[in-house]
Amino acid sequence: NAGVTQTPKFQVLKTGQSMTLQCAQDMNHEYMSWYRQDPGMGLRLIHYSVGAGITDQGEVPNGYNVSRSTTEDFPLRLLSAAPSQTSVYFCASTQGPAREQFFGPGTRLTVL
Amino acid sequence: QKEVEQDPGPLSVPEGAIVSLNCTYSNSAFQYFMWYRQYSRKGPELLMYTYSSGNKEDGRFTAQVDKSSKYISLFIRDSQPSDSATYLCAMRSHPSIIIQGAQKLVFGQGTRLTINP
Repeated sequence: NAGVTQTPKFQVLKTGQSMTLQCAQDMNHEYMSWYRQDPGMGLRLIHYSVGAGITDQGEVPNGYNVSRSTTEDFPLRLLSAAPSQTSVYFCASTQGPAREQFFGPGTRLTVL
Repeated sequence: QKEVEQDPGPLSVPEGAIVSLNCTYSNSAFQYFMWYRQYSRKGPELLMYTYSSGNKEDGRFTAQVDKSSKYISLFIRDSQPSDSATYLCAMRSHPSIIIQGAQKLVFGQGTRLTINP
């Protein structure tokens, strides 16, 4: 199993550009989440999904969209990038709400 | 006030020392408590997982939960340079609590730990 994979590893955007961060898991997990990690702030939940077709907002959802058309994939879309979205983004998946979360390797995003 | 508070450090100790890492929380509904270890430029990985109050030991690592004080700890015995990483506490409520957002995993800020040879 590859676990949780994320692409790209690094990305530089200009203010106003849009892009999609890809996340995929091959563990047949129902629950998937997106976090951003900033110095001194820890991991903050952006959006999460409890199954295909079901998504909900986390702590910091503004400026981000998600969809979940399959169990395996959970892409995160930045509609109009802002410098405040410069961060490291982690995707995670879990079999259930009381089970271990598995994290991907992260995407380092810089918005100029 | 954040739901979970963790001293970000940095914490630097000599090899072989006992390390104590701590988190406090405010939400009394939290019942599952986790410690994640994150090496530089990597994703977090689960280190310890405890349910409700009590102690759990795994090799050199011991996790303690005191729900009455809303306080959790991670102890590392005989610390090694390979233990140098950022340690994040995380917690969530019981799955039976059906309130929007109750299933979210809430993280502390993380403590950066360095073990010096």
